[in-house]
Amino acid sequence: KNQVEQSPQSLIILEGKNCTLQCNYTVSPFSNLRWYKQDTGRGPVSLTIMTFSENTKSNGRYTATLDADTKQSSLHITASQLSDSASYICVVSDRGSTLGRLYFGRGTQLTVWP
Amino acid sequence: EADIYQTPRYLVIGTGKKITLECSQTMGHDKMYWYQQDPGMELHLIHYSYGVNSTEKGDLSSESTVSRIRTEHFPLTLESARPSHTSQYLCASSAGAVNQPQHFGDGTRLSIL
Repeated sequence: KNQVEQSPQSLIILEGKNCTLQCNYTVSPFSNLRWYKQDTGRGPVSLTIMTFSENTKSNGRYTATLDADTKQSSLHITASQLSDSASYICVVSDRGSTLGRLYFGRGTQLTVWP
Repeated sequence: EADIYQTPRYLVIGTGKKITLECSQTMGHDKMYWYQQDPGMELHLIHYSYGVNSTEKGDLSSESTVSRIRTEHFPLTLESARPSHTSQYLCASSAGAVNQPQHFGDGTRLSIL
């Protein structure tokens, strides 16, 4: 069964600290892995997309890594800011169909305290 | 900022009413999607479209229907709303290639009394 599991479910950190969010998946055949940020009451916003051949991709203070062999990804946030408080969703796409079916994780709820 | 818009943002309405949730995008994207999201849960695909006059049901069974008469417009309709339809509905669009990101609207939070 194709699944995407994220950990931790929630995380609280102090402003300025770094943190790492985890994503494990069983989706096969793999096409790409995406990280989205979803602010409360808003739609998800794309942070990174990585294909099989990419190990790491950065977007400002966000750095995503991908290990396609172990089917694991992480999202590292550097020097956190209050505006980083949001849900971070890992999404994996398969290549078994024209649509490129997306499998969504339940997200990690990050809270940054001043 | 993504150019995809959903209206209304919030809707509280009684059982049995007909509801249409609007979604429009100005990016010229061929692919559009409707997702349902409950608090703390993952997004579930309920409808998608590859282009004008193309609509398909997603993974999650839904009593809603969609239409795609124009590229930029992808409305979702519930003929007779029930309390079980209470949820957040998110619309998204993407360009043609599989590795392109989806751009999401800010959603409609629907409450059926």
